[in-house]
Amino acid sequence: RKEVEQDPGPFNVPEGATVAFNCTYSNSASQSFFWYRQDCRKEPKLLMSVYSSGNEDGRFTAQLNRASQYISLLIRDSKLSDSATYLCVVNMAGTALIFGKGTTLSVSS
Amino acid sequence: DGGITQSPKYLFRKEGQNVTLSCEQNLNHDAMYWYRQDPGQGLRLIYYSQIVNDFQKGDIAEGYSVSREKKESFPLTVTSAQKNPTAFYLCASSIGRTQEQYFGPGTRLTVT
Repeated sequence: RKEVEQDPGPFNVPEGATVAFNCTYSNSASQSFFWYRQDCRKEPKLLMSVYSSGNEDGRFTAQLNRASQYISLLIRDSKLSDSATYLCVVNMAGTALIFGKGTTLSVSS
Repeated sequence: DGGITQSPKYLFRKEGQNVTLSCEQNLNHDAMYWYRQDPGQGLRLIYYSQIVNDFQKGDIAEGYSVSREKKESFPLTVTSAQKNPTAFYLCASSIGRTQEQYFGPGTRLTVT
């Protein structure tokens, strides 16, 4: 089983739509969780950390379900500028961060 | 402005030549990392360093070497032993190993 798995997509949605991405991780001892955004041919940039209680930043909401070992990212009112690849990132106990391969989002007008 | 710089942005080399990619950070981060990304693929960890003068192999260290003589600098050498060196190379740093990483703009290496 892969350590961090994401649906690669692409997710094609119209402007204004709500879209959700899920990510599963294999190590129940994982401690830190993040979502990164990567634009085409650019470096990944931290979008938000994911906390056990869930957290929200504007149109973005991240949730963690430790029992089921998955993380989710919800984007409300999608904008054209949200088009990117979203990387799920997990810290396995005792290791560096593990990056998922990413989910591609395309928002169209 | 604090951040991570990588140079050059694009690099072209002939097969059989070693090449060194630069990575500098002024964030006062202890940990630094090198990743490789191939088209349509995820990030793969090459090497990382948690403190000066110490570094560990990642998942794909063969054909690469690093040094960490200064806290701010973590150069990566792609040697002629690396079978498929053409890729997008990303450097990152973090306060600690479990903390979020911040990336430089990357170097696109093409070897022909």
